Amino acid sequence: DTGVSQDPRHKITKRGQNVTFRCDPISEHNRLYWYRQTLGQGPEFLTYFQNEAQLEKSRLLSDRFSAERPKGSFSTLEIQRTEQGDSAMYLCASSSLSGATNEKLFFGSGTQLSVL
Amino acid sequence: KNQVEQSPQSLIILEGKNCTLQCNYTVSPFSNLRWYKQDTGRGPVSLTIMTFSENTKSNGRYTATLDADTKQSSLHITASQLSDSASYICVVSAYSDKLIFGTGTRLQVFP
Repeated sequence: DTGVSQDPRHKITKRGQNVTFRCDPISEHNRLYWYRQTLGQGPEFLTYFQNEAQLEKSRLLSDRFSAERPKGSFSTLEIQRTEQGDSAMYLCASSSLSGATNEKLFFGSGTQLSVL
Repeated sequence: KNQVEQSPQSLIILEGKNCTLQCNYTVSPFSNLRWYKQDTGRGPVSLTIMTFSENTKSNGRYTATLDADTKQSSLHITASQLSDSASYICVVSAYSDKLIFGTGTRLQVFP
């Protein structure tokens, strides 16, 4: 399977715990995005990387959230001291920087987080 | 403010029927408009991408249209199938590469 892979698919945690999600993009893609999606809403941008550099972070990304892409390949998204409002689907997407403004974005299946 | 609005919010149709979903946007400067299909519990999958100069683009039974003057797009689904049941999300890209997502239209196709 050469698509975008996310792990785990589902995560249930208690409020106050830390959680970490992993995303493996399509291998030749140098751009990687994290989005958050709640029920009935479209995805909301969180952050994106070009290779290992984190180029933009949304104001939605509070100081409890941190994302890394240390070698420009896989990425992790960590949420510290989880709150019930963090419950959502966390989507990862990747694309290749080809210079075209209409480059296609490929999404993973997401990690569904439930904070009890 | 850059916004993407979709209608209807939800739609129920019978298998074999056609339907049209609408998208209005206020994103500027406009780069391209995308339609995605998202099955429940899965990530969105790209259906079409249209730039400013394109008026229509097809992908099988899906046909998207774009009117850049009125800032409207539509997604027409022909001869619907049960597997078309999903959320359809309109996404507009500004030249900053920022993607603005609509909230989607939830389509249910019944036999």
